Amino acid sequence: EIVMTQTPLSLSVTPGQPASISCKSSQTLLHSDGKTYLYWFLQKPGQSPQLLIYEVSNRFSGVPDRFSGSGSGTDFTLKISRVEAEDVGIYYCMQSIQPPLFTFGPGTKVDIK
Amino acid sequence: QVQLVQSGAEVKKPGSSVKVSCKASGGTLRNYAIIWVRQAPGQGLEWMGGIIPMFGKVNYAQKFQGRVTLTTDESTNTAYMELSSLRFEDTAVYYCASGMGSYWGQGTLVTVSS
Repeated sequence: EIVMTQTPLSLSVTPGQPASISCKSSQTLLHSDGKTYLYWFLQKPGQSPQLLIYEVSNRFSGVPDRFSGSGSGTDFTLKISRVEAEDVGIYYCMQSIQPPLFTFGPGTKVDIK
Repeated sequence: QVQLVQSGAEVKKPGSSVKVSCKASGGTLRNYAIIWVRQAPGQGLEWMGGIIPMFGKVNYAQKFQGRVTLTTDESTNTAYMELSSLRFEDTAVYYCASGMGSYWGQGTLVTVSS
């Protein structure tokens, strides 16, 4: 079973400042097809999760370009270039190298200072 | 654009079962992996299992093995999650999602109470 970890588990950010979240997997997420199956989600208060980034670095439709993903193998990062008030919530990374078997990270709670 | 609409909130007694539905519109569930995720009060997202209808493939999280059953009905474009032998700690919001997390249902609150 692949285990996902995230750091930090909470983050308080001043609006307009950058933020970064790290996600590590216990096994490589690089598939034999050449793709790496790491995703980022944001769950805003009282809402269902929403997809931000798929396959490490691809922004989902409608996601602002202040969000970016990077990484490879087992180490990944989500960056927000300039945090806005609407970005508060809990961020989760998720792996899906063997669908439909998925694993989520524990989540990183982001709030505004 | 696929939309997923889940069944309404449920209150169940310990030891009973619950079946949550997830109806898709704007696309066919057959083509995507459908996952079920739950979120206990104040907790994170927990993957319960997933099904790929096209390949008839199903995986369950070890924690729920023997208690959860995932099915789909292609005639109604609906996915189902049935959880049996309910315990108080199964109280949670249950979500379906498809398209590798591109689309999510609104969540179904299941409360287990005596």
